Order: sequence, then C-alpha cells, then structure tokens
Amino acid sequence: GAGVSQSPSNKVTEKGKDVELRCDPISGHTALYWYRQSLGQGLEFLIYFQGNSAPDKSGLPSDRFSAERTGGSVSTLTIQRTQQEDSAVYLCASSRIYTEAFFGQGTRLTVV
Amino acid sequence: QKEVEQNSGPLSVPEGAIASLNCTYSDRVSQSFFWYRQYSGKSPELIMSIYSNGDKEDGRFTAQLNKASQYVSLLIRDSQPSDSATYLCAVSKGGSEKLVFGKGTKLTVNP
Repeated sequence: GAGVSQSPSNKVTEKGKDVELRCDPISGHTALYWYRQSLGQGLEFLIYFQGNSAPDKSGLPSDRFSAERTGGSVSTLTIQRTQQEDSAVYLCASSRIYTEAFFGQGTRLTVV
Repeated sequence: QKEVEQNSGPLSVPEGAIASLNCTYSDRVSQSFFWYRQYSGKSPELIMSIYSNGDKEDGRFTAQLNKASQYVSLLIRDSQPSDSATYLCAVSKGGSEKLVFGKGTKLTVNP
C-alpha cells in the first residue's frame, strides 16, 4: 500500500492477556516509530527503529512492553499482561532519514 | 528543559484572523522541523516542513524558522473553522535524527 498500515484497527482484550499490534511501514522507509496516545493527551513516544541501529527503547513504560522490527520492515509491538491503563490509541509512523514521518491510522486498544 | 516545547493552549481566534503557533527546541544541531495537524480522533498529518532559516509559505500556511533562537512557528492566515485542531511541532534530534514531538497546541477558530 501507499501508506503506513496498522492492524488491527480496534482491539478489545481482557486484563492480563497479551496483545500484539502490527505496523507495515511505507516501503523504503528506514525509520519506524511507535507512539501511544491516551484520550485528550499528546503523543507519548515508545520506541524508535532506524535502519540497522539498535532501537531507542527509552519510551517504553515498563518491561511488559516490547517491540521488534523484522527485516527492516514490519514491526510488532507486544504488550504482555495488559492492564487497564494500557488502554489508548497506539500509533505507528515511518520515514526516510531527515524527512517527515507519516502516520498510520492507529490501533485503538481497550483493556476490560 | 523539554526537548520540544509548545504552549498547550487552547488558542482561540475568530474566523478570518491570523493564528500564530510557536515552538521552541533544545537541540542546537537539529536540522529538520515539521508541523503536523491532528483532528480529534484522527492521526497526525503533515502540513509543513522547513529545513533552513527564514519563512516558507504554502497557501494560507507560513512556517518560520530561527535556528539561532531555536524557535519555529506556524502562521495560519484567514483562519477557518476547519483549521480547528491540535497542531504538533516536531524536530529532528541531532545524531539519531529521531523526530521529537511537542505536546501540541489546541487551536479553535470561532465562526
């Protein structure tokens, strides 16, 4: 596709379950970001991948959160043992280096 | 000091007025600067990019960059109610080139 694709669009999960969120970046984009946005709040940086460099994981809120990027393309954000405070919209963005980032439509996660 | 700072607002302007949105950043070696617009319930979308000092105009939007003062702004001329949104400033971090976003300024244009 032409844009950043995220799946699923919506996810409802029970507290304590693990979830996986997927991001397909724009082809050729070496940088990939994950953000979290709670209702009415700003973007919360989670993790940044750039090419073959070690990812910047400085924004991950706890060790329940992890992300990987396979083959420099698709990325998966995994949240283990979900908590109600994990409910938010999770946004993925990708870019070429030195240029603007493009966002996916987001995954709305609801933990019940 | 935060890496990228914006007034959270809300900023309210009447229709037809000029809206001025401001952003300061802390990394002196930043090279790339962007403004995004985010409507409620939607993802951020790019509206302007600027890389060198001075002004860059695109339709009703003008981005202004002053690297010496570490300041970037966005002017919206002839503001319309459809411009009501949160505006996010993003700055590339020197070295890693990671984009760092401000918290955003909520703009309301009143008819």
